[in-house]
Amino acid sequence: EVQLVESGGGLVQPGGSLRLSCAASGFTFTSYRMNWVRQAPGRGLEWVSHITGDSSAIYYADSVKGRFTISRDNAKNSLYLQMNSLRVEDTAVYYCARARNPYNNFDSWGQGTLVTVSS
Amino acid sequence: DIQMTQSPSTLSASVGDRVTITCRASQSISSWLAWYQQKPGKAPKLLIYEASNLQSGVPSRLSGSGSGTEFTLTISSLQPDDFATYYCQQYNNYPWTFGQGTKVEIK
Repeated sequence: EVQLVESGGGLVQPGGSLRLSCAASGFTFTSYRMNWVRQAPGRGLEWVSHITGDSSAIYYADSVKGRFTISRDNAKNSLYLQMNSLRVEDTAVYYCARARNPYNNFDSWGQGTLVTVSS
Repeated sequence: DIQMTQSPSTLSASVGDRVTITCRASQSISSWLAWYQQKPGKAPKLLIYEASNLQSGVPSRLSGSGSGTEFTLTISSLQPDDFATYYCQQYNNYPWTFGQGTKVEIK
């Protein structure tokens, strides 16, 4: 069974940093592109970032470019999102999502981790 | 960026009703469209991919159609488990973008 479990969310002040993690199991992690998708409270879904299986290609939404860094450790079956210079508008539930090979829709999702940016 | 617009934003319906949700893209996305269902406090769930292909385990009362810029998600006979919010997503072009969502609520 595919499982994605996010962790690392919490309360942080504007300008602060946070690192999210996603532990994957139940599938061959290296064979899949992975993504972060977020959802602000009461709002819709927003794709944030994407990384290929070998980390050779990485993409970001304009709203986070230059502030967030996606990475993965295939030996640990883990995905990460380093978030710097956080803003109030980054407050959201952050989901780890697997891309359905070979396309860019998302066939498995974690339960999400809440990031709150507030003073 | 490709803008995705769903209609209606909210839909009130009864068990057994046939319901249709529309998703329009600001430019052609061929058939590179997915539909998701999300229930409160839960992660989204993939329902349909490439506009009309049912994800494994999704009941056959759900169907998708369309290509180019206009797409529909249809539930042939609404069941209690179907009351949720539905999102479309285009994956023709980076950045991948979602519609704003359609909430299906009990009438």
